Amino acid sequence: GAGVSQSPSNKVTEKGKYVELRCDPISGHTALYWYRQSLGQGPEFLIYFQGTGAADDSGLPNDRFFAVRPEGSVSTLKIQRTERGDSAVYLCASSYQRGSLTDTQYFGPGTRLTVL
Amino acid sequence: KQEVTQIPAALSVPEGENLVLNCSFTDSAIYNLQWFRQDPGKGLTSLLLIQSSQREQTSGRLNASLDKSSGRSTLYIAASQPGDSATYLCAVRLAGGSYIPTFGRGTSLIVHP
Repeated sequence: GAGVSQSPSNKVTEKGKYVELRCDPISGHTALYWYRQSLGQGPEFLIYFQGTGAADDSGLPNDRFFAVRPEGSVSTLKIQRTERGDSAVYLCASSYQRGSLTDTQYFGPGTRLTVL
Repeated sequence: KQEVTQIPAALSVPEGENLVLNCSFTDSAIYNLQWFRQDPGKGLTSLLLIQSSQREQTSGRLNASLDKSSGRSTLYIAASQPGDSATYLCAVRLAGGSYIPTFGRGTSLIVHP
């Protein structure tokens, strides 16, 4: 079946602009994660959804970052007033459910965000 | 705060060698540990998932072991091939919490013919 998809694959924007990044998880996966990966680093956790609700948003760096998952499937990561330091690859992952033996995360290809 | 360290940071070997990649973590109260592969410009692909109650997992030429008490995991790659060239990341999730994973920085592997 289809894996996790993300769009756009690349996004170039100017400092101060607003951007939205989209994630389509695997059908039936209730858990969805957003990560940010800078060059030479491992993915850094941003936010985790279980169903429609944000179960843990402790990784969001500041209030310019916000994410939604209104119907428990597609999620959108929103960044306001982008800064050059926001440039990174934004990864989305989904898993069947939290806390089960089948809880393997499946990652999308990422969106490479460049803020000029 | 959980810290995950991967050694070495980079590795270049000739084809056919057996390899050991290391992952260490500071908090042994983990829920599980997962090894991923990441190709340049791509997302992560799960290789092996080890639950805290398990000692090892195997898939083809890959074997991952877990020693919770010492805070270590190793990924063993047998008979390496050029197609194994990628960055290998380990991620650890703590038990009893929100199950958010902490990743290491990865080991960049090049297997040359």
